[in-house]
Amino acid sequence: DPKIIQKPKYLVAVTGSEKILICEQYLGHNAMYWYRQSAKKPLEFMFSYSYQKLMDNQTASSRFQPQSSKKNHLDLQITALKPDDSATYFCASSQDLQQNTLYFGAGTRLSVL
Amino acid sequence: GDSVTQTEGLVTLTKGLPVMLNCTYQTTYSPFLFWYVQHLNEAPKLLLKSSTDNKRTEHQGFYATLHKSSSSFHLQKSSVQLSDSALYFCALRETSGGNYKPTFGKGTSLVVHP
Repeated sequence: DPKIIQKPKYLVAVTGSEKILICEQYLGHNAMYWYRQSAKKPLEFMFSYSYQKLMDNQTASSRFQPQSSKKNHLDLQITALKPDDSATYFCASSQDLQQNTLYFGAGTRLSVL
Repeated sequence: GDSVTQTEGLVTLTKGLPVMLNCTYQTTYSPFLFWYVQHLNEAPKLLLKSSTDNKRTEHQGFYATLHKSSSSFHLQKSSVQLSDSALYFCALRETSGGNYKPTFGKGTSLVVHP
């Protein structure tokens, strides 16, 4: 059974729209992350959360907003979508922010037309 | 800031041959190094990791040794298989210094031919 669930697996959106990518982890981890993967920038760090608090934000655009409603949830809201946002978005977690191994979800592949 | 440099692009090999994928890093603090493997249309997953200087770590036939003197953590395998075709990422985390954000290299694509 997958321990990190990402929904949806595939997502097609039109330019200018808004989407939410869902991530839930059942590993009991306290730290969660979002990464983006595209042909241009493999595994680009976006955000890290620890105990539902934002710890690091490497995303230049405010169009990307993480949302943590529960300790094991870290959703990603993307507004005013652009074709350049097309990528696979991976959610990951680790026991704590200092705990070294990352565990990744299967990813959400986003295509913006 | 921290950085990781890998063998770039594509490495193509015939099954049964040895492989070495290079990884060097830069950090001011004590490092923890990782290799992640990502097969086609799958999520990256941990292959092996180390924070101990000059100690070889092995998993699934792959091995690497962290050399702090040369800031390297090269991934090796003595005989590659078709199933080893994948994207390989070297990653770095600090174990001190307060910046625990994982830093990934750009990835090396390994293609193994029959």
